Amino acid sequence: EAGVVQSPRYKIIEKKQPVAFWCNPISGHNTLYWYLQNLGQGPELLIRYENEEAVDDSQLPKDRFSAERLKGVDSTLKIQPAELGDSAVYLCASSLGLYINEEQYFGPGTRLTVT
Amino acid sequence: AQSVTQLDSQVPVFEEAPVELRCNYSSSVSVYLFWYVQYPNQGLQLLLKYLSGSTLVKGINGFEAEFNKSQTSFHLRKPSVHISDTAEYFCAVTLRGSYNTDKLIFGTGTRLQVFP
Repeated sequence: EAGVVQSPRYKIIEKKQPVAFWCNPISGHNTLYWYLQNLGQGPELLIRYENEEAVDDSQLPKDRFSAERLKGVDSTLKIQPAELGDSAVYLCASSLGLYINEEQYFGPGTRLTVT
Repeated sequence: AQSVTQLDSQVPVFEEAPVELRCNYSSSVSVYLFWYVQYPNQGLQLLLKYLSGSTLVKGINGFEAEFNKSQTSFHLRKPSVHISDTAEYFCAVTLRGSYNTDKLIFGTGTRLQVFP
């Protein structure tokens, strides 16, 4: 069974440029998460989808970040424009059901460097 | 605010020695507790979780953890570590947030370094 796939794995951009990350969750998983992981920190939730509905986006900086999960499968996270402080690893995770006590399966992440 | 504290940022240990990675949480309500491991260049992987019942939880790769409600702790242990256990370990707790939706709150991680 394929795991959570993320692309690109690495991205280097200049500040004020746009950037997009893509995530393909495990087949059949209904819940999808995007996390931000700063160096030396644990992951922090940005947004959670149940199927195609964003049920928790309270930590998503909506002035520059946007996300979508069309058809309840793949998801894209976008930053426009990027700032120096956005340099971090962006993790995608998925779980089979809708309950928080279920195991989350994480992708390898996209490491973003903003110069 | 709810929080998770991992008291040790790094734990060096020799192969075959026992290890304990400490985790404390703050919560006035019932919680679910998790330990995830992150190997280099890989995604996080669930080691074990406590939902209810027995306070001693056994996970993969020989790890176990004990839930202590009175001390609000969930320490991770392994009686004999291997070189391959070298990784970053994250403790996490659920938090009921906005929109009445639960979310995982992660600690800052503990780097376990196993030496031969």
